Amino acid sequence: DVQLVESGGGLVKPGGSLRLSCAASGFTFSSYTMIWVRQAPGKGLEWVSSITTRSSYIFYADSVKGRFTISRDNAKNSLYLQMNSLRTEDTAVYYCARARTAPTGDWYFDLWGRGTLVTVSS
Amino acid sequence: SYELTQPPSVSVSPGQTASITCSGDTLEDKYVCWYQQKPGQSPVLVLCQENKRPSGIPERFSGSNSGNTATLTIIGTQAMDEADYYCQAWDSNTVVFGGGTKLTVL
Repeated sequence: DVQLVESGGGLVKPGGSLRLSCAASGFTFSSYTMIWVRQAPGKGLEWVSSITTRSSYIFYADSVKGRFTISRDNAKNSLYLQMNSLRTEDTAVYYCARARTAPTGDWYFDLWGRGTLVTVSS
Repeated sequence: SYELTQPPSVSVSPGQTASITCSGDTLEDKYVCWYQQKPGQSPVLVLCQENKRPSGIPERFSGSNSGNTATLTIIGTQAMDEADYYCQAWDSNTVVFGGGTKLTVL
């Protein structure tokens, strides 16, 4: 089956760290740009970070820049998000998603994982 | 930074046509896609631009994108279409989502 499975979420205190993983299967992971998107409880979708196929280009939302680090291991078909200096406002379900390139060169996202919940609370 | 604006909620009767708008500066120059999210589930891509639907998405979903507004249209709305819908565009290497619209079928 073509799927993405996130893991690594949990409860962490403010200022703490957590590393999320996203395991890909059923497709050639190394051929796709990947992203992380989060959704705070009862709120909308917020893009977090993107990484291209060979990790050549990496982008972050301003809200996480300097605190979060995205990476990937194509040999392990895995995507990661290292989250440091966590804040209460980082509490959310974190989704990984596969990017496709539109004819215009824009990105859109055709495959999403089920998400992993990160709760930042003292 | 680029912003996309959606109405918080839209209501429609079963069998009628639902329209959900998404507004942004010169949005017609961007490739706009729409995602459906049902409670407790992850987002699902339903449409890009006018009629680019992934496999398995019904033909009752269609779209338009002109000027500053993109619209997702559902013709013959069914109860199963009740969900949150998000528009999405890409701008200057950032991914932008609209705030989401809750579609109620009643």
